Amino acid sequence: DTEVTQTPKHLVMGMTNKKSLKCEQHMGHRAMYWYKQKAKKPPELMFVYSYEKLSINESVPSRFSPECPNSSLLNLHLHALQPEDSALYLCASSQATSGQGAGGANVLTFGAGSRLTVL
Amino acid sequence: KQEVTQIPAALSVPEGENLVLNCSFTDSAIYNLQWFRQDPGKGLTSLLLIQSSQREQTSGRLNASLDKSSGRSTLYIAASQPGDSATYLCAVGILTGGGNKLTFGTGTQLKVEL
Repeated sequence: DTEVTQTPKHLVMGMTNKKSLKCEQHMGHRAMYWYKQKAKKPPELMFVYSYEKLSINESVPSRFSPECPNSSLLNLHLHALQPEDSALYLCASSQATSGQGAGGANVLTFGAGSRLTVL
Repeated sequence: KQEVTQIPAALSVPEGENLVLNCSFTDSAIYNLQWFRQDPGKGLTSLLLIQSSQREQTSGRLNASLDKSSGRSTLYIAASQPGDSATYLCAVGILTGGGNKLTFGTGTQLKVEL
């Protein structure tokens, strides 16, 4: 299995709702990522998990709360979002690294994304 | 802060043409560079990855080169086809936080016409 699966594909929510985006991979990757992509812009990194621990938070507002319950799953919990948070949210995974690198290619495999609209 | 720029921003070519997409980055301390393709409203498909110690990688009609010292990479597409129409993104990677942190370029939107 060489895929990253994201659900739901589309999500519409109000500013007071609580929802979650889910991401799953079965490639044995131990690094997982959340990226945010606004229309006609490049993806921007939000979070990195390595061996199920949060290692990078790119100063993301606390209304976005990531969670990595096991090595195959990555969630992004959403609460009290703003309309400007509407975007395509992309999950990715790769081999994890340690020290100067694992010697692998560290290719990131991306999911198809979850399109979020905040009303 | 790493900045990645792609030129041109958009490109329209007739089918069969060979073409070159350019990517430049400001900080040469990178671990790798990856080229992706993105269809409208979709996720990213990895095309090629070049490690910082390599000069080029090839896959089918695609060839990517890397000149780390000058902060440049090119993606060469041979004999373009309408199915190649998409946005092409380059991303430079550094190893940090136990992962490969990518900074993406601004993208080149390619249209290949019949």
